[in-house]
Amino acid sequence: EVQLVESGGGSVQPGGSLRLSCAASGFTFSSYSMNWVRQAPGKGLEWISYISSSGTIYYADSVKGRFTISRDNAKNSLFLQMNSLRAEDTAVYYCARLGSSFEGCYWGQGTLVTVSS
Amino acid sequence: DVVVTQSPLSLPVTLGQPASISCRSSQSLVYSDGNTYLYWFQQRPGQSPRRLIYKVSNRDFGVPDRFSGSGSGTDFTLKISRVEAEDVGVYYCMQGTHWPWTFGQGTKVEIK
Repeated sequence: EVQLVESGGGSVQPGGSLRLSCAASGFTFSSYSMNWVRQAPGKGLEWISYISSSGTIYYADSVKGRFTISRDNAKNSLFLQMNSLRAEDTAVYYCARLGSSFEGCYWGQGTLVTVSS
Repeated sequence: DVVVTQSPLSLPVTLGQPASISCRSSQSLVYSDGNTYLYWFQQRPGQSPRRLIYKVSNRDFGVPDRFSGSGSGTDFTLKISRVEAEDVGVYYCMQGTHWPWTFGQGTKVEIK
């Protein structure tokens, strides 16, 4: 069974940093691209970052230059380093294996990040 | 960035009746490989999103056949043939053709 479990969320002051982790299991992690998607309280979904199996990376403009996605295939883990956090970064952050086809699409349960003074 | 616009944003539906959600993109979503990377997701209250449809019209495993997707180019539709109580939630389309990927604003489906 595919499982994605996020951790590392919490409260942080504006300008601070946080590192999110996503532990993957139930599939060959190294073979799949992975994503981070966030959802501000009461708002819609926002795709924020992608990393391919070979390391190609993309970011949404809203986080480019502040957030860094990475992966450790040996540990079946996905990461999101978030720096220079702003109030508008407050959201539930989902780790997701979105996929493009019949291989399926999987989401974690999300981890809440609150940026407030 | 590609803007994805859904309508309506709120959709009250009677149980057993059909429902339809529109998704329009500001650019064609046909990729150079000939595929159209348009997806539909359902998010039930308090839950993580779940994908229903991939590449416009393909149902994910386990998705009831009352859900169907159609469209091409810049104009797409999700249809529910007969709405059931478990279909309450917010539905999002997402384009995965152009970077950055973008979601529509979401359509809230509720029972009248």
